[in-house]
Amino acid sequence: VQLLESGGGLVQPGGSLRLSCVVSGVTFSDYAMTWVRQVPGKGLQWLSFITSSGKTAYYADFVKGRFTISRDNSKNTLYLEMSGLRGDDTASYYCAKVGKMWDFLEYWGQGALVTVSS
Amino acid sequence: DFVMTQTPLSLPVTPGEPASISCRSSQSLFDSEDGNTYLDWYLQKPGQSPQVLIYTLSYRAAGVPDRFSGSGSGTNFTLKISRVEAEDVGVYYCMQRMEFPWTFGPGTKVDIK
Repeated sequence: VQLLESGGGLVQPGGSLRLSCVVSGVTFSDYAMTWVRQVPGKGLQWLSFITSSGKTAYYADFVKGRFTISRDNSKNTLYLEMSGLRGDDTASYYCAKVGKMWDFLEYWGQGALVTVSS
Repeated sequence: DFVMTQTPLSLPVTPGEPASISCRSSQSLFDSEDGNTYLDWYLQKPGQSPQVLIYTLSYRAAGVPDRFSGSGSGTNFTLKISRVEAEDVGVYYCMQRMEFPWTFGPGTKVDIK
């Protein structure tokens, strides 16, 4: 199983960015997915969850209304659309595959660094 | 939201000795409907992505050595390492899955004395 994030980079405050996570080695459409981030040198922050069908999503309060999780099961790809970016959104963003029973974050990507700075 | 705390935040350990980390939740993680306690433990080794150790309170994930164990109830939980090995260094996080938004604890950094 491999998860490969892309789309990170430098963005100005107030800007937008879309992260992608391509999943291989499993039937992507069978599994829920999540995004987790980590500010450099700090702890993990859970961001968002999406069901296998993509019909239901949940968010951390501090990103609700600014970030949108989505997926394209035909492309085995998870997305995180981020808008209204702030300096404190600077972090490595990890996608993670959820276990079949929504029981744990089973596989993680290597992370995509997003830097919000002017 | 569920607030997770961990103690200690830093834990120097001696190889071969036991170690334990505590995690506390602001609300109970016990689901009376299914009898499960939705508390997981993750380890992030230096320079790596996190990996699951323990899920649903006490189930060891595949490939996790049996020196790791999880216990607790309600709002108080413990991760125990029966005999620490050098490869166990890193930051340990508890995470609750009782309700969305899921939340992590602040992490406990474990290193060798």
